Amino acid sequence: DGGITQSPKYLFRKEGQNVTLSCEQNLNHDAMYWYRQDPGQGLRLIYYSQIVNDFQKGDIAEGYSVSREKKESFPLTVTSAQKNPTAFYLCASSTGQAKNIQYFGAGTRLSVL
Amino acid sequence: AQSVTQLDSQVPVFEEAPVELRCNYSSSVSVYLFWYVQYPNQGLQLLLKYLSGSTLVKGINGFEAEFNKSQTSFHLRKPSVHISDTAEYFCAVYHFGNEKLTFGTGTRLTIIP
Repeated sequence: DGGITQSPKYLFRKEGQNVTLSCEQNLNHDAMYWYRQDPGQGLRLIYYSQIVNDFQKGDIAEGYSVSREKKESFPLTVTSAQKNPTAFYLCASSTGQAKNIQYFGAGTRLSVL
Repeated sequence: AQSVTQLDSQVPVFEEAPVELRCNYSSSVSVYLFWYVQYPNQGLQLLLKYLSGSTLVKGINGFEAEFNKSQTSFHLRKPSVHISDTAEYFCAVYHFGNEKLTFGTGTRLTIIP
């Protein structure tokens, strides 16, 4: 089945630690996105990538980093500079022909120990 | 500035009653409009979309929405809700030339037996 796989489902971060969230898609989509979801705030865009080896900052990129070395993969690193990382993180992808229709993974819930 | 407003953060509805979830947007350019549904601890699933053509669009699970350009609205409706419709619903707008989706803050729909 085609889809977007996010792992792990739950993740815990210690003070000063960097953690990486995985996002893999087998839909052959060109564009991929990372969102952060907090209660009552909807989804906010962290980073997005429209093509391999290229990515752009979204609205809340500070404290996060990404890479796009392969079309299928778009990992997100939450760095120690992100002082409030507790949230639900969602990865999405879309085709080059209809970039506006985005398909989502099941999410990763990150908590701070 | 482009924005999406979902005025109702929570909507309780009795089972088999009709429901309307409101969405208004602001944009100076053409838009595509979407409704997504999110069940607890899951990703977002596309419910329906308006790209062009008829202003009344039908989606999955018996939902429909009407695009009103003059009122810049895209309200979601269902004539008779079921317990399984309990979820959070997000309105999203794609602004031409922006390459990004802007999400509303979500409406939590609770069905009362």
